[in-house]
Amino acid sequence: GAGVSQSPSNKVTEKGKDVELRCDPISGHTALYWYRQSLGQGLEFLIYFQGNSAPDKSGLPSDRFSAERTGGSVSTLTIQRTQQEDSAVYLCASSSQGYTEAFFGQGTRLTVV
Amino acid sequence: DAKTTQPTSMDCAEGRAANLPCNHSTISGNEYVYWYRQIHSQGPQYIIHGLKNNETNEMASLIITEDRKSSTLILPHATLRDTAVYYCIVRAGNDYKLSFGAGTTVTVRA
Repeated sequence: GAGVSQSPSNKVTEKGKDVELRCDPISGHTALYWYRQSLGQGLEFLIYFQGNSAPDKSGLPSDRFSAERTGGSVSTLTIQRTQQEDSAVYLCASSSQGYTEAFFGQGTRLTVV
Repeated sequence: DAKTTQPTSMDCAEGRAANLPCNHSTISGNEYVYWYRQIHSQGPQYIIHGLKNNETNEMASLIITEDRKSSTLILPHATLRDTAVYYCIVRAGNDYKLSFGAGTTVTVRA
């Protein structure tokens, strides 16, 4: 596609439920990133994929968070047993290689009620 | 341990050039300077990056001092749509991670 696509754009979920956030990177981009931005805060790195493997998961805040990438393309970020502090905008980015400029999607706004 | 220092905020007049400063006094020889911006409720947008030479593209110009300890992003003719948070990021050539600081909130006024 022309850019990084994320779905859904907005998600409201009840505390304790699991959610899945999807990212479609730019076609041919081997590197994929997930970031999180809480209200009024900066961007927080979560995880980096090179192809289907994730050499850096250091930013995942707890074991309730996981991510996978299949076919070197689509990635899914899963949050289990959501908590109110998980409310944030989740941003995905991709780049042609890990060290070139990254292009971001518009994000998924997650609200846990 | 921030690698860059930017002013918290600045105002610019519509139609005038906007000059956004960034200090990166501890930059290493293999580190690039990247600029991104984030318009309200949108994902960050890549603007430009450079190593030591000045760079220009359709969006902006990047001026890096000879000692590479600071740089300036220039928006040649600011418009109201340029109102955003602008992030200056230092990143090694073989590093995959972009570390965002607080950035500069730029407000373009009519």
